[in-house]
Amino acid sequence: GDSVTQTEGQVALSEEDFLTIHCNYSASGYPALFWYVQYPGEGPQFLFRASRDKEKGSSRGFEATYDKGTTSFHLRKASVQESDSAVYYCALGDSNNRIFFGDGTQLVVKP
Amino acid sequence: DPKIIQKPKYLVAVTGSEKILICEQYLGHNAMYWYRQSAKKPLEFMFSYSYQKLMDNQTASSRFQPQSSKKNHLDLQITALKPDDSATYFCASSQDRVNYAEQFFGPGTRLTVL
Repeated sequence: GDSVTQTEGQVALSEEDFLTIHCNYSASGYPALFWYVQYPGEGPQFLFRASRDKEKGSSRGFEATYDKGTTSFHLRKASVQESDSAVYYCALGDSNNRIFFGDGTQLVVKP
Repeated sequence: DPKIIQKPKYLVAVTGSEKILICEQYLGHNAMYWYRQSAKKPLEFMFSYSYQKLMDNQTASSRFQPQSSKKNHLDLQITALKPDDSATYFCASSQDRVNYAEQFFGPGTRLTVL
């Protein structure tokens, strides 16, 4: 079945560091790809989406580019802040609008 | 004001009992969903509804039954509870159940089964 793999379970950075969280997907069709962010005690929040090859999604300084060739949708941010500390989920959406989430990456940003 | 309300926030139940998790959304959306988050499986799709009709069911067990009494309500009834059912259950909604529509999540109900 369709699935998403996030390589990093946890990422620890200092403020102003560059962030990369790796996400690769496996799907039979042409899925949409998402990034969601979850803060403690809350539900996941939509960050952005891309639905076709080479499309870039972005929000709040975060960005990712849909790459069908490498089946990837890596999350990047040029300069992280302490307030970015949260769990980030890469996800895959199918044509029935079901979302399948990766295992999540805990981002810890130290001041 | 919260756009998606889930009640209760915390719930403790004994094995074998039955509980109902409440979800109401005030976004005017036509599609609603249930997801489960546990230590074993971080975020797992369970059900989707569109205009109060069940569209997708990814849950193997019939012990989980969604119920939609109103367009903006989607409750989740769980019977014969087991300790493995312990998880946080999230309700979500989207404008419609169309391709890749953004889903908004509620704050969750944390269920503990003893």
